[in-house]
Parts: sequence; structure tokens; C-alpha cells
Amino acid sequence: GENVEQHPSTLSVQEGDSAVIKCTYSDSASNYFPWYKQELGKRPQLIIDIRSNVGEKKDQRIAVTLNKTAKHFSLHITETQPEDSAVYFCAASISTDYGQNFVFGPGTRLSVLP
Amino acid sequence: DSGVTQTPKHLITATGQRVTLRCSPRSGDLSVYWYQQSLDQGLQFLIQYYNGEERAKGNILERFSAQQFPDLHSELNLSSLELGDSALYFCASSVKSAGETYNEQFFGPGTRLTVL
Repeated sequence: GENVEQHPSTLSVQEGDSAVIKCTYSDSASNYFPWYKQELGKRPQLIIDIRSNVGEKKDQRIAVTLNKTAKHFSLHITETQPEDSAVYFCAASISTDYGQNFVFGPGTRLSVLP
Repeated sequence: DSGVTQTPKHLITATGQRVTLRCSPRSGDLSVYWYQQSLDQGLQFLIQYYNGEERAKGNILERFSAQQFPDLHSELNLSSLELGDSALYFCASSVKSAGETYNEQFFGPGTRLTVL
């Protein structure tokens, strides 16, 4: 089955710097890659996603890139702010007749230092 | 607010007991997923239901079971509870539309279970 690895497990950056989180997946059939942000004790919230037919997607300070050949995708956050501090999860997903099957990475704890 | 609701928010019980967690998906979503998140851990997929039928199973213990009802709400039943079952339990929902390949998944607020 699908396996998703995520690095680094923890990341500390200075406010205003950029942060990059990388994920790799194993199943070439995966076709949808969402990223979730989870603040302490709260629900994971979808912040950006990318489909397998797209190489890059950007939404303000957040961007995601996908390399299908290498089976990896990355989250880029520019001009980081203290409110970006959270745990970030990547996921790889395969379409089935009954919706998507999601496999999550283990998470990255991002700390943005003021 | 994602539109996915879960009850109760908090549940405190004793070892050996049985509890039921409830989830109502977003309006129109046919798929419900259950996840377990232990303290400072990742999201462990438990089980998925689609339109009342079980469609995918993860690392769900035999002591745990779930079902999805005709109105699409779902319940996760946890029995013979152990201390290690203390965790946040999230429900998520997603829609599978005819002809739609990609389906976003939205999480509920979670139920925090504490087993004493």
C-alpha cells in the first residue's frame, strides 16, 4: 500500500524567513496531494492541495510543488509569521469508486520565532 | 467551520468501558473517515464508509467498530477501553461526485477521549 514520508519532523525559522517541508510517496497511482495545518487541540485544516496533472500551485504565501517522476511534493511558506506555527501534515491520495483513500505523513512541527 | 460535526467534544471514562462517538458529515458528502490521533502523534486512519458501506479499513482494533446510517451520519464504537485508547478521534467527510476525480476531505472538530 501507499507509504508517505515527511521531513523534517521539526522546523524552526525566524519570522520573515521561508519554510520548506518535503514529502515522498510510494504509490505512483496517487493523484491528489493535500496539505493540512493543525493547531494545538484543533482540527486539521486544508490549506492547499495539488492534483497530479499540475506541477505547481500557489496561494498567497503558500505554494506546493509536485514531482511525479521522483514521487515527491513540497510545501513552501514564504514570509513566515508567528501564526504559521503549527503541525503540518501532507497526504497522498488515490481515487477509487468510493472517493479518495488518504495516507498521511507523520507531520512537521513548524515554529516561527519572532 | 468545516460543516462536519462531532459529538461529544470530550469524553472521560474508565478502563473496560464502552463508548460511542458520533459524526455528521457535511451536507451532500457520502464518505466518512475516522482517524485516531494520540498525543503528539500523526493521524492514524481507522476506517472509511461510503453511502452506508464499509469501503476501506486501516489499523482499526477488533475492539473498535463503526457504521454509517441511512442519513449518512456515522458512529464509532470503542469497547473494552484501555488507557492507550486515550486520544483525539477525528471524523472527516468527502463527497464522491459522478465524474469528479479529486475529492477534498474536511475534518470535524474531534472528540477527545480520556480513559482513566
